[in-house]
Amino acid sequence: DSGVTQTPKHLITATGQRVTLRCSPRSGDLSVYWYQQSLDQGLQFLIQYYNGEERAKGNILERFSAQQFPDLHSELNLSSLELGDSALYFCASSDRRPNGLETQYFGPGTRLLVL
Amino acid sequence: AQSVSQHNHHVILSEAASLELGCNYSYGGTVNLFWYVQYPGQHLQLLLKYFSGDPLVKGIKGFEAEFIKSKFSFNLRKPSVQWSDTAEYFCAVNGAEDSGYALNFGKGTSLLVTP
Repeated sequence: DSGVTQTPKHLITATGQRVTLRCSPRSGDLSVYWYQQSLDQGLQFLIQYYNGEERAKGNILERFSAQQFPDLHSELNLSSLELGDSALYFCASSDRRPNGLETQYFGPGTRLLVL
Repeated sequence: AQSVSQHNHHVILSEAASLELGCNYSYGGTVNLFWYVQYPGQHLQLLLKYFSGDPLVKGIKGFEAEFIKSKFSFNLRKPSVQWSDTAEYFCAVNGAEDSGYALNFGKGTSLLVTP
């Protein structure tokens, strides 16, 4: 158990819908990263937050957005869902300001299936 | 942009066989390198990491990796695998500051250890 929690574990929804994935970082961790794991694209970085502020964006679609709240939990919002959005979404946290030397601890992921 | 390539997508070994998984990265600057493991149905766990110093890094569960700067490689090794090592293995390199130092992952290598 990494100490990072994600809910829900599984999510099944239809195309065009909107879902929210939740991540609680390890106690005391200020950085949260979101990654998407799919069969064709592998593991890809989506977006990062540090202490409530967006720090960096990766291959995140405009239909996707995220935020980090004052209690440091983060939510990833996926809207206008398409079949291709079906994937495993991971959240990771680290305990320091990003500088390349931090270790990221991953949550168990949320498996999203869009039908 | 940094990229990571893992040469073997699927590896099948018998118990007690030696393991070496290849990983090459493309980035000209200072790199921080990681190997993560994903056991079936579980989250990504850190096996080992290299930031600087001794290029031979020892990790958990008997794994080690060697950083060879001239070859841009960071191969993972284990002298004698066990059935419980069956998992997906991911090599990763830190991105640059403008990506929040998010991890760039290889496509992964699926290892099956047979009794």
